[in-house]
Amino acid sequence: NAGVTQTPKFRILKIGQSMTLQCTQDMNHNYMYWYRQDPGMGLKLIYYSVGAGITDKGEVPNGYNVSRSTTEDFPLRLELAAPSQTSVYFCASSAGEAQYFGPGTRLLVL
Amino acid sequence: GENVEQHPSTLSVQEGDSAVIKCTYSDSASNYFPWYKQELGKGPQLIIDIRSNVGEKKDQRIAVTLNKTAKHFSLHITETQPEDSAVYFCAATPYSGGGADGLTFGKGTHLIIQP
Repeated sequence: NAGVTQTPKFRILKIGQSMTLQCTQDMNHNYMYWYRQDPGMGLKLIYYSVGAGITDKGEVPNGYNVSRSTTEDFPLRLELAAPSQTSVYFCASSAGEAQYFGPGTRLLVL
Repeated sequence: GENVEQHPSTLSVQEGDSAVIKCTYSDSASNYFPWYKQELGKGPQLIIDIRSNVGEKKDQRIAVTLNKTAKHFSLHITETQPEDSAVYFCAATPYSGGGADGLTFGKGTHLIIQP
């Protein structure tokens, strides 16, 4: 099992550009999550999904959108990138309480 | 919502000594408390977790204790080794079984093992 994979590993965006961060898991987990991690801080929940077709907002959803068309994939969309979205983004999945994280995508918005 | 405080922010110990990291939480409904290890440039790795119906859990050199009354839990690492150097995060959530329970994280502890 590859676990949770994320692409790209690193990206530089200009203000106002859009992009999609990809997340795939091969563990057949129903639950998936997106977090962001700012320097010196813990992770904060952006969006989560309890199954295909079902998504909901977390603590910091503004400026992001998600979709969940399959069990395996949970992409995160940034429509109008802003400097405040410079961060490291982690995707996670779980079958129960324990959440397993991907390697992250480092995003720089200039 | 839940608030998790973690301390210290940095901890330096001699190789072979023990390390203790402490966290407090605010929401009495929280019932699941994982600990993650994050190495530079990598994602958080789950190293141990505890549920509110258990007071202590041990896995080789690491152990976690939970005091529900005081709303605090701690990570204990014994016989520290250089590979234990990393940032450690505690987290809490009121897990209800439906998967809609994101984790609330502490700000992390940078553990440095001195040779």
